[in-house]
Amino acid sequence: EAGVTQSPTHLIKTRGQQVTLRCSPISGHTSVYWYQQALGLGLQFLLWYDEGEERNRGNFPPRFSGRQFPNYSSELNVNALELEDSALYLCASSRTTGTVGYNSPLHFGNGTRLTVT
Amino acid sequence: GQQVMQIPQYQHVQEGEDFTTYCNSSTTLSNIQWYKQRPGGHPVFLIQLVKSGEVKKQKRLTFQFGEAKKNSSLHITATQTTDVGTYFCAGQITGGFKTIFGAGTRLFVKA
Repeated sequence: EAGVTQSPTHLIKTRGQQVTLRCSPISGHTSVYWYQQALGLGLQFLLWYDEGEERNRGNFPPRFSGRQFPNYSSELNVNALELEDSALYLCASSRTTGTVGYNSPLHFGNGTRLTVT
Repeated sequence: GQQVMQIPQYQHVQEGEDFTTYCNSSTTLSNIQWYKQRPGGHPVFLIQLVKSGEVKKQKRLTFQFGEAKKNSSLHITATQTTDVGTYFCAGQITGGFKTIFGAGTRLFVKA
């Protein structure tokens, strides 16, 4: 079974630019999550998509946005990049979280390392 | 807001010593998951606990879910250098779907 794939692996951008990160979930998984992990820090929840719909978003400004495509792959877009956006962006997928009480495990990709200069 | 607090932030142990990380939620959790992230890697799912007071073991790792379903712990017996990494707990708030991660505990093991 192929794992979660993310592209690109590394990216260097200049402040003010825009970036698009991509994620392909494990086959059969309909939920995609995006997390930001600044160097040495924990996982900050960004966005959750399920069945093409945005289900929840974390405490991030509107310049962080995304979408999920009919094949369940997902994009994360960040506009007007700032220096503090430099981080590892992790995508995770799971089977649909349709049952309260049981939480489908998250399967993470290797992440995209974004550096903003 | 809803938070999952995890302590300690860092732990240095000598190989062979035990290690415990604790996770506490401000609200009741439906379930809790534990993940391990090796240095330079991505988080990998270890286990999920669902029942009040549940205890599960994986070799040298023991996971507990509190009776009130607001706290959890991961205990490693006789640590090895292969245990190094960051251990995250992740809780699902009762009545909701969102998974909230703790800040993680980074374990360093000295041979």
